[in-house]
Order: sequence, then structure tokens, then C-alpha cells
Amino acid sequence: NAGVMQNPRHLVRRRGQEARLRCSPMKGHSHVYWYRQLPEEGLKFMVYLQKENIIDESGMPKERFSAEFPKEGPSILRIQQVVRGDSAAYFCASSPQRTERETQYFGPGTRLLVL
Amino acid sequence: DQQVKQNSPSLSVQEGRISILNCDYTNSMFDYFLWYKKYPAEGPTFLISISSIKDKNEDGRFTVFLNKSAKHLSLHIVPSQPGDSAVYFCAAQQDSNYQLIWGAGTKLIIKP
Repeated sequence: NAGVMQNPRHLVRRRGQEARLRCSPMKGHSHVYWYRQLPEEGLKFMVYLQKENIIDESGMPKERFSAEFPKEGPSILRIQQVVRGDSAAYFCASSPQRTERETQYFGPGTRLLVL
Repeated sequence: DQQVKQNSPSLSVQEGRISILNCDYTNSMFDYFLWYKKYPAEGPTFLISISSIKDKNEDGRFTVFLNKSAKHLSLHIVPSQPGDSAVYFCAAQQDSNYQLIWGAGTKLIIKP
């Protein structure tokens, strides 16, 4: 039973390029969350998605960032025209369904470095 | 405005002794608290949680204590083992809100 998969594990981009981060939730999980961790800080919520729906994107910057979770395939976090401040670890988590309390299971993260 | 604070960036404990990691919060609406453990280059792994209606939850070597009046919780690990060396994050949830609000983490080092 594979856990949450994220790829790539490491991504290097130059300023102005696009970054695409992928997340495959655990089998049977239909809820995906994206978090960002800056150095020496805790994780910060970005967006919560279900299949084909964005439920809450209140933690995501209004510009340049977008997320999707299509019916088929992984969830994608897309950052357009990256800047140095986007350098961080991006973690995806999944849960089976949104009941009162569902543990979120995390992937290994994608470490984005913007040169 | 940090709603969840872990004031100790690091903690060093002798193997076999008790490790106590602390966490403070400011939002009285939080009603569920979680501890996650994180190794370098890996994602956080869920350890243990506690609901605000309880003051203690125990799972093997791990016990979490919650003091609502002080808005404080702690994670006790006893006995500490070398494999416990990791960064420990405290996180909080508000009822009907899936967002996890995280502390900055405490790096635990278990000395042989």
C-alpha cells in the first residue's frame, strides 16, 4: 500500500520559469492538501482539493499559483514565473474523506530551488 | 501572528531518559492537537493526537498532555531512543476546519 507520492523530489528553476509539482494521494484517498515550508518555519496551509474541485485556496498566493486535482491523475501545484522567494519545500497530504477528524498523511515533499 | 508556538528550536536528551517537547497556542477555538515527527528529506509522519475534551492521551512510549487553561500541550517520550532523533511539530485544528496550523518545530537529539 503505497503512501503519498510526490515528484519531483527536487526541482531547480531559474527566475521566470514555471514549476509543476505533482502529488499522487494514497490509494482510496480523495482529499488532497498542499502545504509550504520555508526554512526554519512550520508548514503553512496553501490549498485543499477534492477530485475536480478546489475546496479552499485561502492559503495560496493570489497570483502565479494554481492547483488542480483532476478526475484522473495526480494533483498538480503550478507556480508560474517563479521568484527566489518561492524556494521552499512543498508538501502534499491526503486523507480518505472529510469526516470530523481525518489524519492527513504526508508525502516526502518537493524541494524547489529558484536560482 | 503565530497561533502555535514551539519555543525551543532544539532539545538534547540522553538515551533512555524522558524527552519533553512543549507547545503553546493562542487561539482558544482550537479543539484538536496533533504531533508529527519529521526526518530530514521526508514528509511529516503523524505520531499522536488529542482532543480538547481530554487532558491526556497515551500511545506506547508517547504521551500527550493538554492544559487548556494554560493553552499548553506537551509530548513526552519515554524511554527516549536513538531513532527518536528528528524534528517534532505541534499542529492544531479548529472544529470543522481541516487546516492544520503548525508550530516551527523542535529538533530532538538523543545522545547515546
